[in-house]
Amino acid sequence: AQSVTQPDIHITVSEGASLELRCNYSYGATPYLFWYVQSPGQGLQLLLKYFSGDTLVQGIKGFEAEFKRSQSSFNLRKPSVHWSDAAEYFCAVGVSGTYKYIFGTGTRLKVLA
Amino acid sequence: KAGVTQTPRYLIKTRGQQVTLSCSPISGHRSVSWYQQTPGQGLQFLFEYFSETQRNKGNFPGRFSGRQFSNSRSEMNVSTLELGDSALYLCASQLGTGENTEAFFGQGTRLTVV
Repeated sequence: AQSVTQPDIHITVSEGASLELRCNYSYGATPYLFWYVQSPGQGLQLLLKYFSGDTLVQGIKGFEAEFKRSQSSFNLRKPSVHWSDAAEYFCAVGVSGTYKYIFGTGTRLKVLA
Repeated sequence: KAGVTQTPRYLIKTRGQQVTLSCSPISGHRSVSWYQQTPGQGLQFLFEYFSETQRNKGNFPGRFSGRQFSNSRSEMNVSTLELGDSALYLCASQLGTGENTEAFFGQGTRLTVV
């Protein structure tokens, strides 16, 4: 069955430190992969997407993600975290042939000043 | 370009009542999907509409229904509300043609059932 796993429920980093959020997917075909961010009480904002091609994708707010087919992973990275990055981050896979997404359970990021 | 608009932002309803939520997608987008977000179950797909037709449906009871109008605006309805229906309901707007594309989400409607 198709699924997305985000192993880390909570992550705390200091402002200015680097960040990596993990995402693993289970999907039979070439996946469409997404990272979204959600601030409290708000909707989801798209950070970046992977459809095909270059496995390192750049997104907004200085985020990037790398698609690794051999590891079924799509980890999100940022070299230097800002206090405003504190939020919940969701990895998602788009189900081919539909417009449905399967989301991971999310990782809540806390940033220490 | 205007984003996805969901109304109302907040709702409080009593068990047994019904509720209707509204979503206006981005101009030119013809696919509207609905998701339920709860702390326990996370983000779960409810259904997707395209050109006034439901194309896909998630694993929710028949109390959850939706429709789409000719201008692509969509409504979802929940009848006979239960306490467990309390959630953030998110609407997603996509182009709707071709392969899966990125979804743009509204701010959501926070439904509280008391």
